[in-house]
Amino acid sequence: DSGVTQTPKHLITATGQRVTLRCSPRSGDLSVYWYQQSLDQGLQFLIQYYNGEERAKGNILERFSAQQFPDLHSELNLSSLELGDSALYFCASSPSAGGEDTQYFGPGTRLTVL
Amino acid sequence: KNQVEQSPQSLIILEGKNCTLQCNYTVSPFSNLRWYKQDTGRGPVSLTIMTFSENTKSNGRYTATLDADTKQSSLHITASQLSDSASYICVVSNDYKLSFGAGTTVTVRA
Repeated sequence: DSGVTQTPKHLITATGQRVTLRCSPRSGDLSVYWYQQSLDQGLQFLIQYYNGEERAKGNILERFSAQQFPDLHSELNLSSLELGDSALYFCASSPSAGGEDTQYFGPGTRLTVL
Repeated sequence: KNQVEQSPQSLIILEGKNCTLQCNYTVSPFSNLRWYKQDTGRGPVSLTIMTFSENTKSNGRYTATLDADTKQSSLHITASQLSDSASYICVVSNDYKLSFGAGTTVTVRA
């Protein structure tokens, strides 16, 4: 158990819909990262937040947005969903903003878009 | 082009045997290199992290090496166990940006 929690574990929805994925980082970690992993694909970095502020942006679509709240939990919002958005979405956390920290990954949310 | 290339894409080994996975990168400047193990459908778990000045690091039966001059790393698994069946991901850090390899899928058979 990494200490990172993600909800829900599974999500099934239809094209065009909007969903929200939630992540609670490890106690004391200030950074939260979001990743997408499509079937048989590698991890794709989406976005990083540090202490409530956006820190780095990766391959995140304009239909996707995220935020980190004062209690440090984070939400990833996916809108106008397409079939290709079906994937595992992982959240990871680390103590600081830098790349030298170990990132601890949550169990993931499996999104299926029908 | 991906800045982190891993090989082989997959391999099958018998329980008890050793294997070596390769990671070549072009990321520059370089901060650190990590190896993660990811079981199917689960989040990756960190195995090792190496900085520029380190050329080897072990974590139990896993030993990672790094040659920063040639920009190559390897992960050696000794005396493989069935539980080693997983995807192994090489991640190279450039300050706060992480570049991920596509992973090597290892299958250990009894």
